[in-house]
Amino acid sequence: DGGITQSPKYLFRKEGQNVTLSCEQNLNHDAMYWYRQDPGQGLRLIYYSQIVNDFQKGDIAEGYSVSREKKESFPLTVTSAQKNPTAFYLCASARDRNNQPQHFGDGTRLSIL
Amino acid sequence: AQTVTQSQPEMSVQEAETVTLSCTYDTSENNYYLFWYKQPPSRQMILVIRQEAYKQQNATENRFSVNFQKAAKSFSLKISDSQLGDTAMYFCAFMKGSYNNNDMRFGAGTRLTVKP
Repeated sequence: DGGITQSPKYLFRKEGQNVTLSCEQNLNHDAMYWYRQDPGQGLRLIYYSQIVNDFQKGDIAEGYSVSREKKESFPLTVTSAQKNPTAFYLCASARDRNNQPQHFGDGTRLSIL
Repeated sequence: AQTVTQSQPEMSVQEAETVTLSCTYDTSENNYYLFWYKQPPSRQMILVIRQEAYKQQNATENRFSVNFQKAAKSFSLKISDSQLGDTAMYFCAFMKGSYNNNDMRFGAGTRLTVKP
């Protein structure tokens, strides 16, 4: 079955630690996205990538980093510079960059220890 | 910048009845797309329905339909014959219609509870 796989489902971070959230898709989609979801708020865009080896900052990129070395994979690293990382993180992909709807993974919940 | 407003944080409806969720947006664009996503307790976001702004006809997907009022910048979602499985957060989203763009703006969401 085609889809987007996010792992792990739950993740805990210690103070000063970097953690990486995985996002893999087998939909052959060009574009991939990372969102952060906080209670009572909609999704906010962290980073996006429209093609391999290229990515752009979204609205709240500070304290996060990404890479896009393969079409299928778009990992997100939450660095120690992100002072309030506790949130639900959603990865999405779209067929191409031209007004295609986004399809989402199941999300990763990140908490601070 | 585009903004999306969902003015109803929570709503409830009896099973088999009809409910309408509101969404308004602010944009100076003439070409754009609007979406409704559903997020059940499992937390996966599921695309419910999509509307192209250049189409006057309201989109319909089985029990889900929209009332798209372009002049009023309103995009409400109607769920007919509500089912218990419709219980979820519903997000309205806006996408500017231009080449090389998939940037979506989401509202804060409406939590819908379907009661038996």
